[in-house]
Amino acid sequence: DSGVTQTPKHLITATGQRVTLRCSPRSGDLSVYWYQQSLDQGLQFLIQYYNGEERAKGNILERFSAQQFPDLHSELNLSSLELGDSALYFCASSVGGGTTDTQYFGPGTRLTVL
Amino acid sequence: QKEVEQDPGPLSVPEGAIVSLNCTYSNSAFQYFMWYRQYSRKGPELLMYTYSSGNKEDGRFTAQVDKSSKYISLFIRDSQPSDSATYLCAMGVLAGTALIFGKGTTLSVSS
Repeated sequence: DSGVTQTPKHLITATGQRVTLRCSPRSGDLSVYWYQQSLDQGLQFLIQYYNGEERAKGNILERFSAQQFPDLHSELNLSSLELGDSALYFCASSVGGGTTDTQYFGPGTRLTVL
Repeated sequence: QKEVEQDPGPLSVPEGAIVSLNCTYSNSAFQYFMWYRQYSRKGPELLMYTYSSGNKEDGRFTAQVDKSSKYISLFIRDSQPSDSATYLCAMGVLAGTALIFGKGTTLSVSS
């Protein structure tokens, strides 16, 4: 168990809908990362927050947004969902925000868009 | 050309075999190299990391980096069925924040 929790574990929804994925980092970790994992694209970095502020952006679509709250938990909002958004979404956390800080991954949320 | 290339496999070996997993990369700015292991239905977990060219050993695992060839490897000695998982390479720039991951190689070790 990495200490990172993600809810829900599974989510099934329809095209055009909006969902929110939630992540609680390990105790003491200030940085939260969001990743999307699909069979064809692999693990893709979406966005990183450090102590409430956006630190880095990756391949995140405009339909997706995220935030990190004062208690350091984070939410990833996915809107106008398309079939191609079906994937595993992972949250990771680390103490610092640099490349060399070990990232601890949560168990993921499996999103299915029908 | 993708920044990081990794053969997805699958790779099937008998117990006790030596396994070699590899990644190539195109960005010469990468200075930090990692291997993550991901069991089925779980999140990735860090296995090993290295900063420089050369070898780094940790038990049955050896990570190797060849910056001149832009090639990294993970060797697993005396492979066990418990090593059956997907192995992802990852790399980054020291002053940066985002890691770039390979697509992962699925390994199956049979007893």
